[in-house]
Amino acid sequence: ETGVTQTPRHLVMGMTNKKSLKCEQHLGHNAMYWYKQSAKKPLELMFVYSLEERVENNSVPSRFSPECPNSSHLFLHLHTLQPEDSALYLCASSPQGGAGNTIYFGEGSWLTVV
Amino acid sequence: GESVGLHLPTLSVQEGDNSIINCAYSNSASDYFIWYKQESGKGPQFIIDIRSNMDKRQGQRVTVLLNKTVKHLSLQIAATQPGDSAVYFCAESNTGFQKLVFGTGTRLLVSP
Repeated sequence: ETGVTQTPRHLVMGMTNKKSLKCEQHLGHNAMYWYKQSAKKPLELMFVYSLEERVENNSVPSRFSPECPNSSHLFLHLHTLQPEDSALYLCASSPQGGAGNTIYFGEGSWLTVV
Repeated sequence: GESVGLHLPTLSVQEGDNSIINCAYSNSASDYFIWYKQESGKGPQFIIDIRSNMDKRQGQRVTVLLNKTVKHLSLQIAATQPGDSAVYFCAESNTGFQKLVFGTGTRLLVSP
């Protein structure tokens, strides 16, 4: 139990589908993140939210749309994805958004786009 | 640009040995470093961190060493156990908002 819960753990979707990944943190943190992990590539930061405000969008295509309704919940809305978007999507949180705050990860959502 | 790299993609050790996993970074302005462990099918798990005003920090069975002169970071695991088998990532940051740059990882294999 990491304190960061992601659902679903596995998702298979077609390129025309619309789906969402959900993340909830139980750590009382103020910052939340989405990372993408592809095979044999370093973890890539996608989005950062601090106090429910998006503070970082790391040149992510618009087919990925984040939503942070409150400091405990984070969503990643997916639509018209490509097969190369298949990856492990990791949600994370930290006490604050500033550098030097330890980031704690969830177990990830495995996404396969067919 | 920033880059964080690992010297060895795979490290094989015997149970009970000490393990040393190395990491090089290129941004001399980095001031915070973290080591993560990722087991198969799981998310990265925080192991230990160190700030640039320190050169050594110890945890339970783990020690992180930071050499800012050569921009090198290492993770030492004492008395390595089969449960330590995983991929280990180092990461560094230096920006206003937490923006960790991760290496590609080193796989540690511990044989009995």
